Amino acid sequence: GDSVTQMEGPVTLSEEAFLTINCTYTATGYPSLFWYVQYPGEGLQLLLKATKADDKGSNKGFEATYRKETTSFHLEKGSVQVSDSAVYFCALSITGTASKLTFGTGTRLQVML
Amino acid sequence: EADIYQTPRYLVIGTGKKITLECSQTMGHDKMYWYQQDPGMELHLIHYSYGVNSTEKGDLSSESTVSRIRTEHFPLTLESARPSHTSQYLCASSELVRGYGYTFGSGTRLTVV
Repeated sequence: GDSVTQMEGPVTLSEEAFLTINCTYTATGYPSLFWYVQYPGEGLQLLLKATKADDKGSNKGFEATYRKETTSFHLEKGSVQVSDSAVYFCALSITGTASKLTFGTGTRLQVML
Repeated sequence: EADIYQTPRYLVIGTGKKITLECSQTMGHDKMYWYQQDPGMELHLIHYSYGVNSTEKGDLSSESTVSRIRTEHFPLTLESARPSHTSQYLCASSELVRGYGYTFGSGTRLTVV
């Protein structure tokens, strides 16, 4: 079945450090890929997405590139801020009448001053 | 502004009580979902709906029930709450379009004492 594997956290960084959160997937079809962010006490918000191979999704300084050859969608940011502290979820969906998002287990990021 | 609303945000209730968690969306989405999120952050799909009068059980077995009488409304009911039901419940909706993703509500944090 479809699955998403993301690196375990927590990830603790100093402000302005470079961030990478790894995400790999297995899928029976041709998935769309997503990163969601969950701030404390809130629901999930769509951060970025990519729908085909080699597409790069970007938002708020975060980027991720859809790599079909390595089945990966790693999240990166060049300089993190304290306000980026949150839980990040990688997800995939296969379009169809039963298309549901399959989520990874989430990675908690804590950014320190 | 198109959005998805969950009420209440927080609920503390005694064992054996009946509760209904409300979820409404103003985007006209056909597909709606309920997730249970455990303290370890992992998301578990417990119910989903493709449209009015359509409901399906998700990947995680749940004692809760749902109904979909109107497109915009997808309430979740627990007939007799137990401490094991203590969790965060997240509602989401989506379009059946490749790469659309989900829009999430802010969640209901339920505590059963």
